[in-house]
Amino acid sequence: QLQLQESGPGLVKTSETLSLICSVSGGSFTGGSDYWGWIRQAPGKGLEWIGNIFYNGMTYYNPSLQSRVTLSIDASKSQFSLTLSSVTAADTAIYFCARDSSTAYGGRSFDFWGQGTLVTVSS
Amino acid sequence: DIQMTQSPSSLSASVGDRVTFTCRASETISIYLNWYQQKPGKAPKLLIYAASTLQSGVPSRFSGSGSGTDFTLTISSLQPEDFATYYCQQSYSSPRTFGPGTKVDVK
Repeated sequence: QLQLQESGPGLVKTSETLSLICSVSGGSFTGGSDYWGWIRQAPGKGLEWIGNIFYNGMTYYNPSLQSRVTLSIDASKSQFSLTLSSVTAADTAIYFCARDSSTAYGGRSFDFWGQGTLVTVSS
Repeated sequence: DIQMTQSPSSLSASVGDRVTFTCRASETISIYLNWYQQKPGKAPKLLIYAASTLQSGVPSRFSGSGSGTDFTLTISSLQPEDFATYYCQQSYSSPRTFGPGTKVDVK
């Protein structure tokens, strides 16, 4: 069974850079057409897609965050990472990593998720 | 960006009830619509993909339908473990967008 686990600081200072890692185990990391994604959820709010990365490093970002987001991947460690620069209180959220898998009918879905990690931005 | 809306934003129901809620896209998304269930403190769980295909391991009381811009999720007989928030999400185009959710609570 595929498992994903987020790790990183739970507290980041305003204007600094948020960095998280997602470690993947129990399945293929570089095979097929799977992308690896980040989604966040502000406290009591809905879900916001941040971006996806393919094992070869190809990335897709949400335009609303693109200027501040970088995704990277380390296939040798089965890990992918998120950095978000110049954070403000509005970036306080639970950050989830997930597998973005293609479906037999076209389209894609986030079928495996990490448990999520709360990141608080504060001065 | 494709905007997703869901209605109602919340509903109260009892165990055994048949419940249906809707998701609407701001433009056509074919069948590229997924439904997720999220319980407090947990990650979302994929229930249905491609509008109507049940994810492996998801009980058959869940069903989805629709295409184009209008979609529905139905729970045929609500169980205690189904009280949660349900989100739709489109994968037709980037950026991926989610609906604001429908919270199902106990009547």
